[in-house]
Amino acid sequence: DAGVIQSPRHEVTEMGQEVTLRCKPISGHDYLFWYRQTMMRGLELLIYFNNNVPIDDSGMPEDRFSAKMPNASFSTLKIQPSEPRDSAVYFCASSFRAGTNTGELFFGEGSRLTVL
Amino acid sequence: EDKVVQSPLSLVVHEGDTVTLNCSYEVTNFRSLLWYKQEKKAPTFLFMLTSSGIEKKSGRLSSILDKKELSSILNITATQTGDSAIHLCAVGGGGATNKLIFGTGTLLAVQP
Repeated sequence: DAGVIQSPRHEVTEMGQEVTLRCKPISGHDYLFWYRQTMMRGLELLIYFNNNVPIDDSGMPEDRFSAKMPNASFSTLKIQPSEPRDSAVYFCASSFRAGTNTGELFFGEGSRLTVL
Repeated sequence: EDKVVQSPLSLVVHEGDTVTLNCSYEVTNFRSLLWYKQEKKAPTFLFMLTSSGIEKKSGRLSSILDKKELSSILNITATQTGDSAIHLCAVGGGGATNKLIFGTGTLLAVQP
């Protein structure tokens, strides 16, 4: 398996522009997570899906952020309009929940976003 | 509010030293505690712990969970420069299934 695939790897944009990050989870995984990582706040969970349904979006910072998962093999995280404080590395991760324990998360390589 | 706290925030050691990294948590409906290592890119999985007092080992790395103290430690013996990374602790729970809450990590630098 190719693992979790994210695109783009790097994005530099100007304030006010729309940004779309993409993720393809590992085939067969039923959970998909979007995390944001900064030096100050570490890894923050933004939203996660189970079987393509959003379960918890309490970490989404503002209405400017939205995420979708139209099918089991694709998800997007959109920021519109973007602001400099959105600059961070955005990770997508997927997992398969086995039993009652939290399953291991498999991370993509991340999308490094810089908003000027 | 659910939280995971790691200490120290950063650590510099010399090759061959032994280090102990700490993780404490306050998470509702605790299910498991996971350790990850992050070098330049994505975090990679090290251990998952669910039961108190049972040590997990992988080579020079070992970890143990103490549910009474709501904490875990990650030990690395005979450190090597390749151990230099951010070591992340994550706890599964928080009132929802399969949700991982991460600490800010410990930045370990191993000098030759």
